[in-house]
Amino acid sequence: EDKVVQSPLSLVVHEGDTVTLNCSYEVTNFRSLLWYKQEKKAPTFLFMLTSSGIEKKSGRLSSILDKKELFSILNITATQTGDSAVYLCAHCTSGTYKYIFGTGTRLKVLA
Amino acid sequence: DTGVSQNPRHKITKRGQNVTFRCDPISEHNRLYWYRQTLGQGPEFLTYFQNEAQLEKSRLLSDRFSAERPKGSFSTLEIQRTEQGDSAMYLCASGGSEAFFGQGTRLTVV
Repeated sequence: EDKVVQSPLSLVVHEGDTVTLNCSYEVTNFRSLLWYKQEKKAPTFLFMLTSSGIEKKSGRLSSILDKKELFSILNITATQTGDSAVYLCAHCTSGTYKYIFGTGTRLKVLA
Repeated sequence: DTGVSQNPRHKITKRGQNVTFRCDPISEHNRLYWYRQTLGQGPEFLTYFQNEAQLEKSRLLSDRFSAERPKGSFSTLEIQRTEQGDSAMYLCASGGSEAFFGQGTRLTVV
């Protein structure tokens, strides 16, 4: 069955640190991989990745996909307390548009 | 506001009662999803629609749960004979190539 595994489950860093969050997936027919940030309420969209090796970047956040090894990473540089959240990874399979989520990585950034 | 809208935001109900939630998607999106999320877990897929057609429903979904999307616009999710285990955040999302979430309906069954 298709699944998504995220690591670490939780992480505590200090402001200014760089973090790398991992997402590995098992999927029969890959369409895309998505990253979301969830604070107190609904997940907010960060990135969608479809091709290997092409980095997506938005400010201090970046993400890349490796379709051969079936994983993606999300990097956050110069972390700030506002980056504290749960980061969710989801994959979408070809032939269906269903998104399967991992359990998330809970990031806490200390001042 | 042109985002995904969910109502109500909070619902407290007694065990055994029926509840219905509404989701208004982003207008140009033809796909609409329902997810359930409990504390410490990622969103769990329940069902999704393409226009008015319900294309997939989770095998884990009890027959007490039903969803509709008449006319391919807003959607409703009904839970009949609620149980305490149904307490969760119910999230709706609509999508083109990405899925965008509403603020959710938090259900508490007492």
